[in-house]
Amino acid sequence: EPEVTQTPSHQVTQMGQEVILRCVPISNHLYFYWYRQILGQKVEFLVSFYNNEISEKSEIFDDQFSVERPDGSNFTLKIRSTKLEDSAMYFCASTLDDGNTIYFGEGSWLTVV
Amino acid sequence: RKEVEQDPGPFNVPEGATVAFNCTYSNSASQSFFWYRQDCRKEPKLLMSVYSSGNEDGRFTAQLNRASQYISLLIRDSKLSDSATYLCVVNLRGGRRALTFGSGTRLQVQP
Repeated sequence: EPEVTQTPSHQVTQMGQEVILRCVPISNHLYFYWYRQILGQKVEFLVSFYNNEISEKSEIFDDQFSVERPDGSNFTLKIRSTKLEDSAMYFCASTLDDGNTIYFGEGSWLTVV
Repeated sequence: RKEVEQDPGPFNVPEGATVAFNCTYSNSASQSFFWYRQDCRKEPKLLMSVYSSGNEDGRFTAQLNRASQYISLLIRDSKLSDSATYLCVVNLRGGRRALTFGSGTRLQVQP
């Protein structure tokens, strides 16, 4: 079964450092998402991406965050200057069609120290 | 009112029991509804979509009540492997807009 893959699975970084989380969505999918989940809390939407541009973003997704689809397969989330409160599991997701079944990657666990 | 609200549980039930979870949502115009399952420190996995007429998948039954703005999940004949957190997920604003997750209901099935 095709799946969304994410790297790294776990990253520890110092506060203020830049982090790039990588995702390879399912190959024929058109819509891509980043969600995050702080330990013990609910899954929260960050940003959606379609047709090479951001289609929606939450208030969490401030100027410190950016997304890119540098080639036909990768979808990246960059955090420019990490803060302690950025520590969370970051899930990439993709879907083929309009807002329905969304498939999640296994997540990248980010720890900011 | 929270956008998507669930009882956090935990629900502790014996194997073979029937258990039901409810979830309420804030936007009456919401179009798409789902139940996801999440194991500890893993990604959410789609359990089932919820259709207006209600739907069943094996031991799992989902219902939608638009008038009261709630959805439900019924699990029959609980198995130990059903132990997980069940996430109520709603596309509150339609189209390819973001999904909104509830905080989840934790289920622990005991032998």
